[in-house]
Amino acid sequence: AQSVTQLGSHVSVSEGALVLLRCNYSSSVPPYLFWYVQYPNQGLQLLLKYTSAATLVKGINGFEAEFKKSETSFHLTKPSAHMSDAAEYFCAVSQAGRRALTFGSGTRLQVQP
Amino acid sequence: DGGITQSPKYLFRKEGQNVTLSCEQNLNHDAMYWYRQDPGQGLRLIYYSQIVNDFQKGDIAEGYSVSREKKESFPLTVTSAQKNPTAFYLCASKGQTGEGDTQYFGPGTRLTVL
Repeated sequence: AQSVTQLGSHVSVSEGALVLLRCNYSSSVPPYLFWYVQYPNQGLQLLLKYTSAATLVKGINGFEAEFKKSETSFHLTKPSAHMSDAAEYFCAVSQAGRRALTFGSGTRLQVQP
Repeated sequence: DGGITQSPKYLFRKEGQNVTLSCEQNLNHDAMYWYRQDPGQGLRLIYYSQIVNDFQKGDIAEGYSVSREKKESFPLTVTSAQKNPTAFYLCASKGQTGEGDTQYFGPGTRLTVL
């Protein structure tokens, strides 16, 4: 069975500071990995995805994530936080041919002025 | 303008009533999904459908029902058997395997039981 762990349900950073949101997965076979962002009372928007190509994946809004098989991690980073980055972020895992995504419990990012 | 629409955005239900949440997509996707979102719990899979006229239970299907009569539509009925239906409901769809299992989400419906 696959699972996703997001360390830290709340993360607070200052505007301009580095954003680091952690995601670890467990999967018996090579996974597909995703980061989604959710703004209040809205659906989920895809930020980026890893599908066994380059291990460093660049997404929208300046975010990127690195797949590290040895650490079973897929942490999300952004060099400089903007106020508009305040939202909830979800990591998810899938495997080819499996039925659906398995989501982590989410990390709420606050950006302080 | 391609995408997924859900209606209504807000829905209020009295105890004992069934309600139906709408989900429509014009992305020509075969697979569609319903998730339930509760605070601090991420998203949990209710039902999914990989093709018209076929659907499967997810992890928390009890108290819910679905139909898939058309490729574009995947309505979810929350029945009176669902003991705690107040939540945010998200519909998603997925294209062919070549897209790397990417799911695209609708804007959601917030259901409140009065």
